[in-house]
Formats: sequence, structure tokens, C-alpha cells
Amino acid sequence: DIQMTQSPSSLSASVGDRVTITCRASQNIDNYLHWYQQKPGKAPNLLIYGASTLYSGVPARFSGSGSGTEFTLSISSLQSEDFATYYCLQSYTTLPYTFGQGTRLEIK
Amino acid sequence: QLQLQESGPGLVKPSETLSLTCAVSGGSVSSSSFYWGWIRQPPGKGLEWIGSFYPTGKSYYSSSLQSRVAISGDKSNNQFSLTLRSVTAADTGVYYCARGDSSAWNYFDNWGQGTLVTVSS
Repeated sequence: DIQMTQSPSSLSASVGDRVTITCRASQNIDNYLHWYQQKPGKAPNLLIYGASTLYSGVPARFSGSGSGTEFTLSISSLQSEDFATYYCLQSYTTLPYTFGQGTRLEIK
Repeated sequence: QLQLQESGPGLVKPSETLSLTCAVSGGSVSSSSFYWGWIRQPPGKGLEWIGSFYPTGKSYYSSSLQSRVAISGDKSNNQFSLTLRSVTAADTGVYYCARGDSSAWNYFDNWGQGTLVTVSS
């Protein structure tokens, strides 16, 4: 199975800060990497798919980059509603999909 | 607008079978552009993909669960189901159903609200 290593596991930041979260795959996954935001008690929401495409309705302060084995999610200017947990998901083939362990983004 | 709604028992006894259904509205489980999946989340932990069902009738499962799990579709009722046998306390968590977009990058774009399943005697 493809392993996804997400870092950091937690992050403290302030409103207006720029933050970056990283996911590394144990083997090449092309651009089959997607980012989700989850708030407590809610289902995850898709932010970025195909490593860098912004999903409909997602604010432009979110961006994704990378290909192959290393990927990043960036938030350019944190807003209060962005404090949540973020997950990456790889879906390279029909072999098992795997999520990263999650990054909890907290207010400093 | 697509909506997904999970349903099933909230409490299952150890060693018994967990069965959940996801009702789909605003879309069709038969559409060739999409597939359907189950994802779970133990309390306070991360997300785990359980498996996916395709309109062709084919299903794919997590390596760790494949000996106990089955996902199937019901076109007549526009829903799909999860069966997990021989459950233990480790199977406790929120279970989500989701739609996968198979047109390009295979991502889950729409999720149900989730249903909490507790395994306990």
C-alpha cells in the first residue's frame, strides 16, 4: 500500500499568517493527491484536487502544488474560519486509497 | 443538488455484523462518471478509506479490512451499502459515505454527514 506522511501533525498560527502543510507519498502518485478540510463534528470538505486545482467555491487563498511524491497545501492569509484539521488523500490507482494522518491548525 | 444520507444501527455488539446504507438523491449510483465510497473515522483520530463501489459492479477494499468488508450497490433504490463482519471495539467511529469523481483524478467530492457506530456489548 502507498503510505502518506503528512507534516506537521499540528500547527499554531495567527490570522493573516501564511501556512504550509506537506504530504509525502511512499511512491510516485503522479498528481492523484487531494486536500480536505474538516471541522469538528462535520464531514470533510474538498479543497484541492489533482494536486493543484481549486475545487468550486473554495477561496483563492488556498493553493496546492507538487507532483510525484511531494505535495504542499498553502493558505496565503489565514482567516478565522480556516482553523480546522486538514487531510491529504492519494487515489493513484484502484489499489487502496490512503489518507495522511492529518494536520490540526490551531489559533496561536 | 447531490445529497448523501447514511443510515443504520448506532450500536452493534462485538463479533456481530455492521450494516449501513447510503441513500443518494440528486444523482444516480448508476452514473458511469462516478463511484461510491465509505470512509470512517475513529473518535479523535484520522480518516480511513474503507472501500469503493463502481457502477460496473466492481468493488475495492482497504487491505486491512478486505477479509471482513463488502460494499454493494442497489440501483433500484439508488443507494449503496456497507457490510462489516466480526466487529470489535476498534471498529467504533463515524462512518461517512461519499461520491467519487472518476472523470479525471478520482477524488471524493461530496460526503454524507456521517453516522456514529459504537461497538459495545
